[in-house]
Amino acid sequence: RKEVEQDPGPFNVPEGATVAFNCTYSNSASQSFFWYRQDCRKEPKLLMSVYSSGNEDGRFTAQLNRASQYISLLIRDSKLSDSATYLCVVNPLTGGGNKLTFGTGTQLKVEL
Amino acid sequence: EPEVTQTPSHQVTQMGQEVILRCVPISNHLYFYWYRQILGQKVEFLVSFYNNEISEKSEIFDDQFSVERPDGSNFTLKIRSTKLEDSAMYFCASRQEADVGEAFFGQGTRLTVV
Repeated sequence: RKEVEQDPGPFNVPEGATVAFNCTYSNSASQSFFWYRQDCRKEPKLLMSVYSSGNEDGRFTAQLNRASQYISLLIRDSKLSDSATYLCVVNPLTGGGNKLTFGTGTQLKVEL
Repeated sequence: EPEVTQTPSHQVTQMGQEVILRCVPISNHLYFYWYRQILGQKVEFLVSFYNNEISEKSEIFDDQFSVERPDGSNFTLKIRSTKLEDSAMYFCASRQEADVGEAFFGQGTRLTVV
């Protein structure tokens, strides 16, 4: 099983649509979770951290289910500018380095 | 807003040559990382660095790779003898705390080995 698994997409949605991305992770001892956004040929940028209680930031809602080792991201009222690749990122409990492990990313294309 | 800066933005080198990629992490951060992304593929962890030593490295980070932080500000990645398959975008990242908190990424160095 891959450390962090995502549906690569692409998801092609009309402007205004609601879209949901899912992610599963294999290391049950993982400590922190993030969604990053990556535009074409650019660096990853933090979209939001994911907390056990679930959290919302404007049109974006992230949820974590530790029992199922599952993370989700919901984007409401999607805009053209949301077109990007969304990266599920997990911080496994490893010795010392606390590296971030990336999923392959889910590509979103928002269309008129 | 503080940012991670990387130089150069693009480097073309001949196979077998040595390259040094440079990064200036955010000043009060303690944890430093190098990642790479081959075109069309996922972001892959190379190495993490804390307290002036490597804390973790991946299988990719073999004897051809090394990192150092010579002067307390720059954080460098050296590839001793580049191969064609080293062609990728290399991202430096830094983080204030381990375990939690955002990792900030530099804009990357695109390395092309010919």
